[in-house]
Amino acid sequence: DTAVSQTPKYLVTQMGNDKSIKCEQNLGHDTMYWYKQDSKKFLKIMFSYNNKELIINETVPNRFSPKSPDKAHLNLHINSLELGDSAVYFCASSQEARGGGYTFGSGTRLTVV
Amino acid sequence: RKEVEQDPGPFNVPEGATVAFNCTYSNSASQSFFWYRQDCRKEPKLLMSVYSSGNEDGRFTAQLNRASQYISLLIRDSKLSDSATYLCVVNANTGFQKLVFGTGTRLLVSP
Repeated sequence: DTAVSQTPKYLVTQMGNDKSIKCEQNLGHDTMYWYKQDSKKFLKIMFSYNNKELIINETVPNRFSPKSPDKAHLNLHINSLELGDSAVYFCASSQEARGGGYTFGSGTRLTVV
Repeated sequence: RKEVEQDPGPFNVPEGATVAFNCTYSNSASQSFFWYRQDCRKEPKLLMSVYSSGNEDGRFTAQLNRASQYISLLIRDSKLSDSATYLCVVNANTGFQKLVFGTGTRLLVSP
């Protein structure tokens, strides 16, 4: 009955590979997000989707491509992984009209070697 | 200047102490404000929203000063389980929500 679930929890991969992280929420929220938390613990927004439409796209390399097949799912595909992509990636969701903050998934710890 | 600034700490306090964290934000158009808590290697979790009139939830009191663009969190009677990083969060958008996180203030409560 996990509210926001991400897979995988851990991902170790070599430079240059392509990988995907999946996220699903069962809260009935209409908006989903990807955040990146770097080694300095700074949480920064990457993307946001509202009802499958991209609404926030921060300055992120175009190697990162989000996809939202429906409002309960938001996946993140990363091409040509670099060492600097190593971080924890958090998915989150919210109900936009309620404006009450986000519910986060437990994170995906990506290590690029 | 960062959008949301916090003292990173750590704040080391004994059990039972009262501790206060402060935060400033740069965008005067910010609409809503929160404190989140993040335990080591875990996801951030909403601690409380912050309302203009100030609000309290048990041992936790949050205050907002819009004129000074300043938010505070007071924790009374600290418990060992309060040890965590406290993130000041601001919704910077007037349209869709866009939560901007501070870098967090680390609290260590010792016996």
